[in-house]
Amino acid sequence: GESVGLHLPTLSVQEGDNSIINCAYSNSASDYFIWYKQESGKGPQFIIDIRSNMDKRQGQRVTVLLNKTVKHLSLQIAATQPGDSAVYFCAGVSGSARQLTFGSGTQLTVLP
Amino acid sequence: EAQVTQNPRYLITVTGKKLTVTCSQNMNHEYMSWYRQDPGLGLRQIYYSMNVEVTDKGDVPEGYKVSRKEKRNFPLILESPSPNQTSLYFCASSPTGNHEQYFGPGTRLTVT
Repeated sequence: GESVGLHLPTLSVQEGDNSIINCAYSNSASDYFIWYKQESGKGPQFIIDIRSNMDKRQGQRVTVLLNKTVKHLSLQIAATQPGDSAVYFCAGVSGSARQLTFGSGTQLTVLP
Repeated sequence: EAQVTQNPRYLITVTGKKLTVTCSQNMNHEYMSWYRQDPGLGLRQIYYSMNVEVTDKGDVPEGYKVSRKEKRNFPLILESPSPNQTSLYFCASSPTGNHEQYFGPGTRLTVT
């Protein structure tokens, strides 16, 4: 099956700066990619998704970029806030059962 | 409030003692799924259900059972728990064909 991973397990940014969280995937079976945010003691929460035939998608303060050539996905958070501190997971969606394959996560810490 | 609930939230048990973790959703979602989350491994799917009476194995089904007798409930059963099933478990649901899954708050299970 497909594996999805992340480049860095931890990322620290200053409040107000932009954050970039990266993710790599190993094959092209996924037709969607999703970013989830998991705060301490809670379940993952959907942030944004991107269809595999798109390069970029923007949401509120977040942008996801997909580079299929190098099988790379990134999540950009603008003007990072303390409430953005969490673990961020990328996940690929594939198959008729819409199965999610998650990466191991990046812990984002926002410094005051 | 639309939500996925899990019970119990915390459980410490001994090897071999059967247990059930309940999951319930009030959103009338057809699709439900169980994941386990372990450090460095992200979330891995255990079982999923596309609809009532329809269940399928995920990536790590060994040692687990599920049932889907009603649309809203999807219990996870460990017939004979072992220490390697110590983990954080999440239930999730979504409308059929929608990859945005809504996660419950998690159940932390310790098997001694």
